[in-house]
Amino acid sequence: GAVVSQHPSRVICKSGTSVKIECRSLDFQATTMFWYRQFPKQSLMLMATSNEGSKATYEQGVEKDKFLINHASLTLSTLTVTSAHPEDSSFYICSARAGEANYGYTFGSGTRLTVV
Amino acid sequence: GENVEQHPSTLSVQEGDSAVIKCTYSDSASNYFPWYKQELGKGPQLIIDIRSNVGEKKDQRIAVTLNKTAKHFSLHITETQPEDSAVYFCAASKGNTPLVFGKGTRLSVIA
Repeated sequence: GAVVSQHPSRVICKSGTSVKIECRSLDFQATTMFWYRQFPKQSLMLMATSNEGSKATYEQGVEKDKFLINHASLTLSTLTVTSAHPEDSSFYICSARAGEANYGYTFGSGTRLTVV
Repeated sequence: GENVEQHPSTLSVQEGDSAVIKCTYSDSASNYFPWYKQELGKGPQLIIDIRSNVGEKKDQRIAVTLNKTAKHFSLHITETQPEDSAVYFCAASKGNTPLVFGKGTRLSVIA
């Protein structure tokens, strides 16, 4: 089946630094990738949708200059948390979908970001 | 936009019993309804999904039912096992829009 690889699984960074999270589709071409944020004991909140070769579409309330998303190829999307602060600490999850159909979403294993 | 409500938020069952989780959605145009299982510290894993042209789908101990008129769908897990303990999320989508998730149900299967 479809596999999405997300790295790193855990990262600790200092306040003010930037962190990059990678999301790769290993055996399919991901036309669209989604980035979610999940706080403890809560649901997944969509941050942005990215299509290969175009700018990401951010959800209301998500700062595009703080959460930089790049989807440069059909198999790779990256999320960079810039100038991280403790309140950015969270579980970040990517999801990839092949084609335009609204099914076949595959999720990565998530990245636990801790900002100290 | 779409709104998905999920109940209950927590559910405890004895091993071997059945568990039922229910979701309602608001957008009648939604046509895809997946269920995900999330274990602690991991990403969600698809366990079963259903499209709006089908009323029921079953995969071994897991089944999903969909009532389009009432706009609700349910997950049924029979013969529960301790390894079924996890958080379960329902979701809905239409067209090529992103999935909208319910708030999750924490299922505990007591041995």
